[in-house]
Amino acid sequence: GDSVTQMEGPVTLSEEAFLTINCTYTATGYPSLFWYVQYPGEGLQLLLKATKADDKGSNKGFEATYRKETTSFHLEKGSVQVSDSAVYFCALNGRDMRFGAGTRLTVKP
Amino acid sequence: DADVTQTPRNRITKTGKRIMLECSQTKGHDRMYWYRQDPGLGLRLIYYSFDVKDINKGEISDGYSVSRQAQAKFSLSLESAIPNQTALYFCATTAGDLISTDTQYFGPGTRLTVL
Repeated sequence: GDSVTQMEGPVTLSEEAFLTINCTYTATGYPSLFWYVQYPGEGLQLLLKATKADDKGSNKGFEATYRKETTSFHLEKGSVQVSDSAVYFCALNGRDMRFGAGTRLTVKP
Repeated sequence: DADVTQTPRNRITKTGKRIMLECSQTKGHDRMYWYRQDPGLGLRLIYYSFDVKDINKGEISDGYSVSRQAQAKFSLSLESAIPNQTALYFCATTAGDLISTDTQYFGPGTRLTVL
């Protein structure tokens, strides 16, 4: 069945550092890919998405490109802030929604 | 007010008890979902509903049942709770216009502890 594998955390960075969180997927067909973010004590909220190969999703300085050849959707941000501290989930929507295990990011001042 | 609400937010119960978690939404969406979140496992789909008369099992439906009372309400029941059902439970909705590209809108979660 469909599945998502993402980089294990936790990840700790200093403010203004570069962020990459790796995500790879296994799916039949052509799923849509998503990154969701969960702040402490809250539900998940959409960060960005891409619906077809080579699409780039972007929001709040975060970017991810749908790479069909490598079945990947890595999340990047050029300069993280303390307010980016959260848990990040990669997800796909094929026959149904599948989420990765989540990666906890902590950004220190 | 929040678009997707869940009650209760926290619940502690004992093994064997029946528990109902409730979800309401004001987004006017047709599709609703129940997930559980466990550390290191991400979110796993329990049940989903595309409309009031359409209920579907998800990845891990055993031990759970659901009821879609109205477009805006979707309840999750544990008929006889067991400790390994201790988890954070999330309700979510989507508009359903474009199935695979839809954004999911999540409630704040219910933390359930089964002793």
